[in-house]
Amino acid sequence: AQSVTQPDIHITVSEGASLELRCNYSYGATPYLFWYVQSPGQGLQLLLKYFSGDTLVQGIKGFEAEFKRSQSSFNLRKPSVHWSDAAEYFCAVGPPSGAQKLVFGQGTRLTINP
Amino acid sequence: DTAVSQTPKYLVTQMGNDKSIKCEQNLGHDTMYWYKQDSKKFLKIMFSYNNKELIINETVPNRFSPKSPDKAHLNLHINSLELGDSAVYFCASSQGYSADTQYFGPGTRLTVL
Repeated sequence: AQSVTQPDIHITVSEGASLELRCNYSYGATPYLFWYVQSPGQGLQLLLKYFSGDTLVQGIKGFEAEFKRSQSSFNLRKPSVHWSDAAEYFCAVGPPSGAQKLVFGQGTRLTINP
Repeated sequence: DTAVSQTPKYLVTQMGNDKSIKCEQNLGHDTMYWYKQDSKKFLKIMFSYNNKELIINETVPNRFSPKSPDKAHLNLHINSLELGDSAVYFCASSQGYSADTQYFGPGTRLTVL
């Protein structure tokens, strides 16, 4: 069965510190991979996506993610967080072809300490 | 201009009632989706339409009926509301139905009393 695991339900980091949010997936083939961010009371906004090619992808707001096929992981990183990064982060996978039935992880809530 | 909009933003109703949530996108996309986010923030797809045709229909009670009058609109009608239907419902759209970025609306928080 297809699944996405985000092991950390809640992470707290200090402003200016580096960040890594973990995402592991289980899928029959190499899926397409996404990270979305949800600010309080808002919809989801795409941060970045991986379809193929370079396994290190750059996204908006200074985020990047690295696809590691051998570890079935797609971890999200940011070298220096800002208070405005406080939000819920969702990793998702989708099929490489056919209807885009995204499967989401349960999310990681990020809190920023001043 | 809001790319994907939903109305209403909040919906509070009694068990047994029938309600609708509307979604509109002005991105010119061909595909639209409904997702349900439960109280634990878990997001799950419910339906997807491509050019007004149903292409994804997950295991959802038949009390839920999507309707797509045109490519820019996908409405969700829910009959005989139950307590367990309380959730945030998100509409999304994408250009195609395969390997395309999905753009999400702001969500509709449904509370069933």
